[in-house]
Amino acid sequence: GESVGLHLPTLSVQEGDNSIINCAYSNSASDYFIWYKQESGKGPQFIIDIRSNMDKRQGQRVTVLLNKTVKHLSLQIAATQPGDSAVYFCAENRGGNQFYFGTGTSLTVIP
Amino acid sequence: DTGVSQNPRHKITKRGQNVTFRCDPISEHNRLYWYRQTLGQGPEFLTYFQNEAQLEKSRLLSDRFSAERPKGSFSTLEIQRTEQGDSAMYLCASSFRGAQYFGPGTRLLVL
Repeated sequence: GESVGLHLPTLSVQEGDNSIINCAYSNSASDYFIWYKQESGKGPQFIIDIRSNMDKRQGQRVTVLLNKTVKHLSLQIAATQPGDSAVYFCAENRGGNQFYFGTGTSLTVIP
Repeated sequence: DTGVSQNPRHKITKRGQNVTFRCDPISEHNRLYWYRQTLGQGPEFLTYFQNEAQLEKSRLLSDRFSAERPKGSFSTLEIQRTEQGDSAMYLCASSFRGAQYFGPGTRLLVL
């Protein structure tokens, strides 16, 4: 399944399927991006990051893709598991010390 | 546990009271951040320390808010004369450079 980030804040997928969570950013000066996972009542948990000199980075079961031309970021989760159910945020750094977070996408994994 | 810790985890107070939260960052991290998160939203930046110096403050940080990091290790965030609008999750994050790692947050409820 796919989400369009801010416009479709919820995403439901079947266990075992791949998930794609999208994020659009507006500032062309943004040069560093992080995906976070936040479970209910907990702080955001670092998943993966990517700098603007890359267009793809892979971790364990996760891949982040960056398209600077259209200012778009995506998080792909392979073989989604129930434990992946959470809210996912993309955070962008615009060159200073702040990170700017989107509204987030809520992922629900259906067993 | 070598992650970021925050205390207390929950705080209920009456309007007009002062509250103080504490953050202990990851030990080798020289950068410390405070964020505020309300329900359904991503974290919003409040302030940033590098070692003991407070280098950046958001416009969200009214004069009722003050943050310190006296020895460049733990940090405190104080809210004076709390208002109901201060009810939120207060998150602390730390970094050495690059990715910020978050603590579990302090949930504040102002009655």
